[in-house]
Amino acid sequence: KAGVTQTPRYLIKTRGQQVTLSCSPISGHRSVSWYQQTPGQGLQFLFEYFSETQRNKGNFPGRFSGRQFSNSRSEMNVSTLELGDSALYLCASSLSDYKSTDTQYFGPGTRLTVL
Amino acid sequence: DQQVKQNSPSLSVQEGRISILNCDYTNSMFDYFLWYKKYPAEGPTFLISISSIKDKNEDGRFTVFLNKSAKHLSLHIVPSQPGDSAVYFCAVISGGSNYKLTFGKGTLLTVNP
Repeated sequence: KAGVTQTPRYLIKTRGQQVTLSCSPISGHRSVSWYQQTPGQGLQFLFEYFSETQRNKGNFPGRFSGRQFSNSRSEMNVSTLELGDSALYLCASSLSDYKSTDTQYFGPGTRLTVL
Repeated sequence: DQQVKQNSPSLSVQEGRISILNCDYTNSMFDYFLWYKKYPAEGPTFLISISSIKDKNEDGRFTVFLNKSAKHLSLHIVPSQPGDSAVYFCAVISGGSNYKLTFGKGTLLTVNP
């Protein structure tokens, strides 16, 4: 079974631009979560989608948004990029939501660099 | 304010010896705890978990201990192998209405041959 895939793997943008990252979960998984990893803050939860609905959201500004499609694939968008948005963005999928404590499986991440 | 703390940014052990990775948390409402391992250029990989109703869970060379009164979690790796060299993150899930993984900042484990 294929794992979680994320595209693109690397991305370079300039301040003020916007970016869209894509995540394809493991087949059959319906929950997709996004995390930001930076050296200073570690792994921080962005948001979680289940059945095309955002059900959980972390403490990030509204410039960070996401969506999930009917096939469970998810995208996250960051508008008006800032230098501090440079990070590794990780997507994780699980069979259902966290309440069942199903294991989350992570993709390899998208490394975003903002110049 | 960090709810999950891994106070040791790095740890170095000899092959064959025990590795002990520690994690402290602040919220007694946390009810499920996990350890993830991360190699460079890869996403975190689930390692082992423990529910708050238990105090120990074993899986092969990996054992997680939970001390609820001290709000402390530890991961023991015995015997340590060079392939275990990675960053280890502890993570928690809390009950209530906001389900999400909250991670510590990680500990870099280096196992020397």
